[in-house]
Amino acid sequence: GNSVTQMEGPVTLSEEAFLTINCTYTATGYPSLFWYVQYPGEGLQLLLKATKADDKGSNKGFEATYRKETTSFHLEKGSVQVSDSAVYFCASLIKAAGNKLTFGGGTRVLVKP
Amino acid sequence: DTAVSQTPKYLVTQMGNDKSIKCEQNLGHDTMYWYKQDSKKFLKIMFSYNNKELIINETVPNRFSPKSPDKAHLNLHINSLELGDSAVYFCASSQAEGLFFGSGTQLSVL
Repeated sequence: GNSVTQMEGPVTLSEEAFLTINCTYTATGYPSLFWYVQYPGEGLQLLLKATKADDKGSNKGFEATYRKETTSFHLEKGSVQVSDSAVYFCASLIKAAGNKLTFGGGTRVLVKP
Repeated sequence: DTAVSQTPKYLVTQMGNDKSIKCEQNLGHDTMYWYKQDSKKFLKIMFSYNNKELIINETVPNRFSPKSPDKAHLNLHINSLELGDSAVYFCASSQAEGLFFGSGTQLSVL
């Protein structure tokens, strides 16, 4: 089956620190990979995506590279801000599975001033 | 203009009651979903509809019944609410890859 595993939080860091959130997937086939962000009290927003191996998704200073050899899609940001405090979800999608998006467990990130 | 809107935002009710959550999308997408997010933020798909037809039905109690009157709407009706149904329910829609989510309905069963 398809599954997504991401590091458990919470991750607490200071402003301007480097952020990495690990994500690995298992899938039958070649999934598209996503990172979603959920700010407090809000729904999920698509942060970035990659649809094939070696693709790099980027948005708002965040980046993630689709690594087929390690089945990973780690999220990185070089210098976080307090406003980046949120829960981040890694997800995979297999079209043959009816466009079903499978989420990781979420990683809460808290950035302190 | 809200792309995916769901109502109500908050729903507080007693055990045993029946309630509905409504969802509408104005993106012209063919596929809509219901996800449940528990207190630990874990997200699990419940249902998916494509052009009013059910295509994904995960292991969800029969008390949950989705209804799609047209491809822009996917409502969720819950019968005989139980304490364990307390969660945040998210509606979403998609056309190509990637989902657009509503802002969620926080359901509290007392």
